[in-house]
Amino acid sequence: NAGVTQTPKFQVLKTGQSMTLQCAQDMNHNSMYWYRQDPGMGLRLIYYSASEGTTDKGEVPNGYNVSRLNKREFSLRLESAAPSQTSVYFCASSEVTGGRNTIYFGEGSWLTVV
Amino acid sequence: QKEVEQDPGPLSVPEGAIVSLNCTYSNSAFQYFMWYRQYSRKGPELLMYTYSSGNKEDGRFTAQVDKSSKYISLFIRDSQPSDSATYLCAIPRDNYGQNFVFGPGTRLSVLP
Repeated sequence: NAGVTQTPKFQVLKTGQSMTLQCAQDMNHNSMYWYRQDPGMGLRLIYYSASEGTTDKGEVPNGYNVSRLNKREFSLRLESAAPSQTSVYFCASSEVTGGRNTIYFGEGSWLTVV
Repeated sequence: QKEVEQDPGPLSVPEGAIVSLNCTYSNSAFQYFMWYRQYSRKGPELLMYTYSSGNKEDGRFTAQVDKSSKYISLFIRDSQPSDSATYLCAIPRDNYGQNFVFGPGTRLSVLP
């Protein structure tokens, strides 16, 4: 029952460094997402992928890139980290069942940029 | 106006109390609504969903929609310390779309 697995769980970066957050799901879902969660802001969509081979920007895509490597994996890359990217990042996947789209989240990745 | 608004709390109640958590939304086209529970240092998990037509009950939890007021509620009966978490309302922008809008969450503490 792994569901959505993301790594690393914690990371400290220096300003300007790059890193990639990895995500994999074992539920055979077509859609995958990257969100960030900040106090008082709720979950904000960074990028999503409706299916293997496609990606689209969400509401806060600046400073990020994504790769949908295959149906299972969706990675998020910070090319040049900035303190404003200090946040908790959640990967998610979703399925439509009975006319309802339900989203499932990973455990989160806590990123601090100093 | 934000699409979804939610009182961030924190809300502290004694064990056994009835808890009412609420969200307001702006788009009358939203069709169904979900509540997620998020424990500290964990990802959100689906608690329950309800369509715009009325109430849904699941054990100690009841989700209610007032479409005329654009108001959704989650009631927790006989609250337990294990209910201490942040509760987020979530609304898919359309039934088959990729976009969900989330409230900022209400942090609930149930004190033993």
